[in-house]
Amino acid sequence: AQSVTQPDIHITVSEGASLELRCNYSYGATPYLFWYVQSPGQGLQLLLKYFSGDTLVQGIKGFEAEFKRSQSSFNLRKPSVHWSDAAEYFCAVGTYNFNKFYFGSGTKLNVKP
Amino acid sequence: DTAVSQTPKYLVTQMGNDKSIKCEQNLGHDTMYWYKQDSKKFLKIMFSYNNKELIINETVPNRFSPKSPDKAHLNLHINSLELGDSAVYFCASSQPDRLNTEAFFGQGTRLTVV
Repeated sequence: AQSVTQPDIHITVSEGASLELRCNYSYGATPYLFWYVQSPGQGLQLLLKYFSGDTLVQGIKGFEAEFKRSQSSFNLRKPSVHWSDAAEYFCAVGTYNFNKFYFGSGTKLNVKP
Repeated sequence: DTAVSQTPKYLVTQMGNDKSIKCEQNLGHDTMYWYKQDSKKFLKIMFSYNNKELIINETVPNRFSPKSPDKAHLNLHINSLELGDSAVYFCASSQPDRLNTEAFFGQGTRLTVV
């Protein structure tokens, strides 16, 4: 069965520190992988996506993610976090025909001044 | 221009009432979705439509009935509302046959059943 696991429910980092949010997926075929961000009271905004090719993908707001097939992971990273990055982050897998997207349970990021 | 728009943004209603949430996308996408986000922020797909045809129904109670009058609209009607229906409902759309597609989400409708 398809699933997405985000093992960290909450993460707190200091402003300027580096960040890594973990995501593991279970999917029988080639995964289409996404990271979305949700600010309080807002919808979901796409940060980046992986379909094929280079396993390190760059996204908006200075985020990047690396696809590791051997580990079934798609971790999100940012070298220096800004206070405005505080939000909820969701990893997702899209089925091959995009009939549905499976989401992880989210990681809430707090940023300390 | 808002790509995926939902109305209303907030909805407070009493148990037993019937309510509708509207969704429109101006992206020309063929596929639209309804997702439910519970109090723990978990996002679960409810329905998926492609060109006005239902293709996914994730064991949602019959009280929930989606309607797609055209491929740009996917409305959600809920009968006999229950307390457990309180959640944020997100509409989304995508274009599956387009390379590097993604799902675009609306701003959500926060439904509170009292």
